[in-house]
Amino acid sequence: DAKTTQPNSMESNEEEPVHLPCNHSTISGTDYIHWYRQLPSQGPEYVIHGLTSNVNNRMASLAIAEDRKSSTLILHRATLRDAAVYYCILRHSTYSGAGSYQLTFGKGTKLSVIP
Amino acid sequence: KAGVTQTPRYLIKTRGQQVTLSCSPISGHRSVSWYQQTPGQGLQFLFEYFSETQRNKGNFPGRFSGRQFSNSRSEMNVSTLELGDSALYLCASSLGLADDEQFFGPGTRLTVL
Repeated sequence: DAKTTQPNSMESNEEEPVHLPCNHSTISGTDYIHWYRQLPSQGPEYVIHGLTSNVNNRMASLAIAEDRKSSTLILHRATLRDAAVYYCILRHSTYSGAGSYQLTFGKGTKLSVIP
Repeated sequence: KAGVTQTPRYLIKTRGQQVTLSCSPISGHRSVSWYQQTPGQGLQFLFEYFSETQRNKGNFPGRFSGRQFSNSRSEMNVSTLELGDSALYLCASSLGLADDEQFFGPGTRLTVL
């Protein structure tokens, strides 16, 4: 089964870029990489997802290594509101029916933003 | 647009009892997923319901079950509660089955004594 490894914690200064790494060396060819974040006392919030190519949206960018064994979530300018736990998640299609999948969660990286 | 709502927000039960948690998805969303979050195991996927049918399932014992109603509201049931079932139970909804973007509720904090 695929596994994801993330650093337990990271710090960033406000208004500086943040690079949050995720290692998924056992990823299979059809596994999608998802990122969610969880602010204190809230449910997780979708950030971004991708398969092979780098992806950008209004919240962040996702850089996926060419061999797909790692990925990096990039917050371009950290704000205090970005302080949260960031989860790297693999979604593996199981082909046992339409829309069937398994999920592998990382333990999450707690990001602290210093004013 | 109202978000995902979960009731109750907090619950205390004793070992051996059973519990039912409720989740109302965002209006128009047809898929509901359930997750368990604990300090030790982190986030774990329980199951996903779509069109009143369980479509995906994580690796949890049969004591954990769920159902979805025709209005997409969902309930999760845990029977014969164990101390290790103490956790934050999160519900997430999405427009369709296996959608990439899910919207989470605030969770129900279950404490088993």
